[in-house]
Amino acid sequence: DAGVIQSPRHEVTEMGQEVTLRCKPISGHNSLFWYRQTMMRGLELLIYFNNNVPIDDSGMPEDRFSAKMPNASFSTLKIQPSEPRDSAVYFCASSSQLGGSGSNEQFFGPGTRLTVL
Amino acid sequence: KQEVTQIPAALSVPEGENLVLNCSFTDSAIYNLQWFRQDPGKGLTSLLLIQSSQREQTSGRLNASLDKSSGRSTLYIAASQPGDSATYLCAVGVGANSKLTFGKGITLSVRP
Repeated sequence: DAGVIQSPRHEVTEMGQEVTLRCKPISGHNSLFWYRQTMMRGLELLIYFNNNVPIDDSGMPEDRFSAKMPNASFSTLKIQPSEPRDSAVYFCASSSQLGGSGSNEQFFGPGTRLTVL
Repeated sequence: KQEVTQIPAALSVPEGENLVLNCSFTDSAIYNLQWFRQDPGKGLTSLLLIQSSQREQTSGRLNASLDKSSGRSTLYIAASQPGDSATYLCAVGVGANSKLTFGKGITLSVRP
């Protein structure tokens, strides 16, 4: 049973370059979340989708960040242009929203470690 | 704005000890609360999820409790083992989409 899949696992790039991170959620899950983890700020929610529609992007730090979910099995997080302060681990998570049941357990991918030089 | 606090940031205990990890949150209007484990350089593994209507959940040697009115949750680990060494994160879900707000985590070291 495959969990959340993220690629690449590691990315090293130079300042100003475009970076695209990819995520495949667990099959059947209808909610997808992008988080960023740094030593200073911990884990922060960037954006989340429900049924492929962006619901809340208030955590996206700047216009340089964008996310898409063209279908239920794929999402991308793009940074253009990248800056050294974007260096962090980016996690994707998915859950099956069950309405009023109060469950919605989130399952995380292994993360992408991004280094911007 | 929901804030989640986990104190202390690090904890070291001898093997076999029973221990309690604490989590506090500022807004009691939560949907659920989830405890995660993170090993160095790895992703997050979900340990337990407590729905807002529940008081506790158990899985093996782990027991998580929730007191919404006081804004607190605890993760109890029985008979700790060196393999339990990891960072434990508490996350509070708000709203039907369970948008999670995380604490900074507690790094646990269990000494053989």
